[in-house]
Amino acid sequence: ILNVEQSPQSLHVQEGDSTNFTCSFPSSNFYALHWYRWETAKSPEALFVMTLNGDEKKKGRISATLNTKEGYSYLYIKGSQPEDSATYLCAFWGGSNYKLTFGKGTLLTVNP
Amino acid sequence: NAGVTQTPKFQVLKTGQSMTLQCAQDMNHEYMSWYRQDPGMGLRLIHYSVGAGITDQGEVPNGYNVSRSTTEDFPLRLLSAAPSQTSVYFCASRPSFSSYNEQFFGPGTRLTVL
Repeated sequence: ILNVEQSPQSLHVQEGDSTNFTCSFPSSNFYALHWYRWETAKSPEALFVMTLNGDEKKKGRISATLNTKEGYSYLYIKGSQPEDSATYLCAFWGGSNYKLTFGKGTLLTVNP
Repeated sequence: NAGVTQTPKFQVLKTGQSMTLQCAQDMNHEYMSWYRQDPGMGLRLIHYSVGAGITDQGEVPNGYNVSRSTTEDFPLRLLSAAPSQTSVYFCASRPSFSSYNEQFFGPGTRLTVL
């Protein structure tokens, strides 16, 4: 079973703060790293799919970086808003199988 | 497009009962999968399919069966429900087996087994 770790487990920030969290994954046999945003009572929605070492992706105030050699990805949120409150999941695809392995997520709460 | 749809949204079963959770997608995706989500455990893969007629086991397959007779549908069968199967179940699809594509999730089915 592949180990995908996310930290911190939860995070409380004030509106306007910038924040970041980490996804760690095996550094060998890397194929892709996904980030999903999961709001309460909804289903996960894809933010980014990252495939190359050094990749940087951006969508509005949210961006992500990827380091496949050391096995981590950072997700950044600039100027957090209450509507950013959600669980952020990362998922790793590695090796010769077709399975995405998900981390347990980081729960972000943005206080107004 | 409706995307990925799941029925029912909620279900309560008694121990030993069987039922089928339905999942359908209208995006012509080859790859479909079922996950369960439990507190503190994250999303765990139950079964997946890389195309019609092809299925395989994920991380936690025991107590569940799947079949894929069409591209659109991927039902999950609970053979004899147990309280340990109380969970939220998500169906997901993506264009192909390749994880270079993002995955689309259904709205989930909340199952309680008494």
